[in-house]
Amino acid sequence: KNQVEQSPQSLIILEGKNCTLQCNYTVSPFSNLRWYKQDTGRGPVSLTIMTFSENTKSNGRYTATLDADTKQSSLHITASQLSDSASYICVVSAGGGGNKLTFGTGTQLKVEL
Amino acid sequence: ETGVTQTPRHLVMGMTNKKSLKCEQHLGHNAMYWYKQSAKKPLELMFVYSLEERVENNSVPSRFSPECPNSSHLFLHLHTLQPEDSALYLCASSHGAAEQFFGPGTRLTVL
Repeated sequence: KNQVEQSPQSLIILEGKNCTLQCNYTVSPFSNLRWYKQDTGRGPVSLTIMTFSENTKSNGRYTATLDADTKQSSLHITASQLSDSASYICVVSAGGGGNKLTFGTGTQLKVEL
Repeated sequence: ETGVTQTPRHLVMGMTNKKSLKCEQHLGHNAMYWYKQSAKKPLELMFVYSLEERVENNSVPSRFSPECPNSSHLFLHLHTLQPEDSALYLCASSHGAAEQFFGPGTRLTVL
């Protein structure tokens, strides 16, 4: 069964600090992995996408890594801002045609002053 | 207006009511999706429409009835819902198997 597990479930950090969110997956065959940011009361918005051959991808202060051998990904947020407070969802797409996505439960991040 | 829009944003309904959720995409996509998002659970795919034909129905109860009249519009008709159906209902669209773009969701509360 395809699964995506994220940790931690929730996280509180001070503004300006860095943090790293983790994602482990058992999706086969693997096509790509995305990190989404979901603000409260909004739909998810894609931050990064990585395919099998990509190890790292950056989008401003967000840097995602992928280890396809261990089936792990991380999302590193640098110099956090209050606006980073949101749920971060790891989503893995299975290959073989179609658009079958497996979602993690998300990490709820709160950035405080 | 651009992107994916959903109305209403919030809905409270009794178990005997009939209501509809509406989704509209302005991205020229050819596939649309309904998802259910409950607290502390992953997004659950409910229905997929590709080129206006339903291509996937993930064992969703018949009290949820989707409708896709054209490639830009998607509806979710609701009737005789249960309190456990309370959740955030998200619509998404994509061009084939490319990235899915999500709407803001409808927060549904069933009393």
